[in-house]
Amino acid sequence: GESVGLHLPTLSVQEGDNSIINCAYSNSASDYFIWYKQESGKGPQFIIDIRSNMDKRQGQRVTVLLNKTVKHLSLQIAATQPGDSAVYFCAENRGSGGSNYKLTFGKGTLLTVNP
Amino acid sequence: ETGVTQSPTHLIKTRGQQVTLRCSSQSGHNTVSWYQQALGQGPQFIFQYYREEENGRGNFPPRFSGLQFPNYSSELNVNALELDDSALYLCASSSRQGYNSPLHFGNGTRLTVT
Repeated sequence: GESVGLHLPTLSVQEGDNSIINCAYSNSASDYFIWYKQESGKGPQFIIDIRSNMDKRQGQRVTVLLNKTVKHLSLQIAATQPGDSAVYFCAENRGSGGSNYKLTFGKGTLLTVNP
Repeated sequence: ETGVTQSPTHLIKTRGQQVTLRCSSQSGHNTVSWYQQALGQGPQFIFQYYREEENGRGNFPPRFSGLQFPNYSSELNVNALELDDSALYLCASSSRQGYNSPLHFGNGTRLTVT
C-alpha cells in the first residue's frame, strides 16, 4: 500500500558529526515533501521542504535530497549538536490542485546526539 | 507572529464520553488540519477545514467531527470515546494561498481515555 517509511528507526551520532536520516516513499504522484523535528512533549517543528521539481535544497545546517527515480528522501544535518536530538519525520503531500492538502507521515527516526 | 495554540494540553476522559479540543491557528493562516499521533507513531491525518467547511478527511469514523469558525480557529469533537482514541491530537494551520507550504503545528492535546 501507499506509505512513507524510514530505513532506520534510531540513529546515534557524536556531537560535531554529520547526520543522515533516510526516508522512502511509495507514491510517485506526491509532489511536496517536508521534514519535521519533534521534541518530547512538543508538536512537529518544520525543518525544510522540497518540491518534486527539485532534487536538492539547503537550509541552515540542513540539506534535503530528493531522488524521484528510487523514491527516496534524505535529511542531512551538518555538525550535529545535542539540541538536534529528537524524532525526525518525513512527510509527503498527496493532495492535488490545492483542494486537499494532506500530509502522510512516516514513523520517524530517533536521533540521539552524544556529547 | 502568534503560533498555533491548542487547549487543553492534557485531558483524561472515560470510555463512552465526548471530548472537544480547541485550536487557534497561526496569524494569517486560513486552513486548519487535525492529526492524531499515537505513541511511537507518526501523525495521521484526520481532516482539514477551509472556509468553515470540511475539505478532506482521512480514515477516521464519523464520531470524529470538527468545526472551523470565522476567525479560523477550530474544534475537534470526538464522541463515544474508545480506549484506542488515547493519543496526542495535533492541530496545524497553513495558508491556502501557499499551497505546498509547510503546515505549522501546535504542541497538541494529550488525550487519555480510561
